[in-house]
Amino acid sequence: DTGVSQDPRHKITKRGQNVTFRCDPISEHNRLYWYRQTLGQGPEFLTYFQNEAQLEKSRLLSDRFSAERPKGSFSTLEIQRTEQGDSAMYLCASSRTAGIDGYTFGSGTRLTVV
Amino acid sequence: AQTVTQSQPEMSVQEAETVTLSCTYDTSESDYYLFWYKQPPSRQMILVIRQEAYKQQNATENRFSVNFQKAAKSFSLKISDSQLGDAAMYFCVFNNAGNMLTFGGGTRLMVKP
Repeated sequence: DTGVSQDPRHKITKRGQNVTFRCDPISEHNRLYWYRQTLGQGPEFLTYFQNEAQLEKSRLLSDRFSAERPKGSFSTLEIQRTEQGDSAMYLCASSRTAGIDGYTFGSGTRLTVV
Repeated sequence: AQTVTQSQPEMSVQEAETVTLSCTYDTSESDYYLFWYKQPPSRQMILVIRQEAYKQQNATENRFSVNFQKAAKSFSLKISDSQLGDAAMYFCVFNNAGNMLTFGGGTRLMVKP
């Protein structure tokens, strides 16, 4: 068990470009979550999956944001037409249950839009 | 919707001393879970301690303990015998056993040698 892995660790992109982040959860965890954390703030919830089903996506920040978990294992978060306001840390977490035992977080992907 | 408030943006403590971080929350739920997470600089979020709302007994994990006051909707974290490695951002987190965690704004803890 290597924990939750996120790739890349850092991403710098030009405004208007599309970016995709990957998250590999702990293998026996069936729930996977995406959060966004801006500097000095607590993370805010974006979306989550139970296995391959995306059960909550109303918190995605705009229709430029989308997430997938095609085989119930790894997940991707895509941001289309990036804006400077998208600059943040994007965190992935996984859990075995409804999170009542706590979540395991990855190290995050730091996005900088220039 | 739940809200979590951490009223102390920064705290400092002398090494080996005790410090208490405050947290209040607002919810209409009766069954939920509360957590404290630690986020060291440039490192991943780590679970420090958890508390089930239906349990009256306060959770304890080694040097970390909580004071859970359900009626007051208060959930403070006490760190005893503070160590340099305790320096981090601490987040109070609410989970209604549903689909998402609600984080407070965080308290930055500095430990002075």
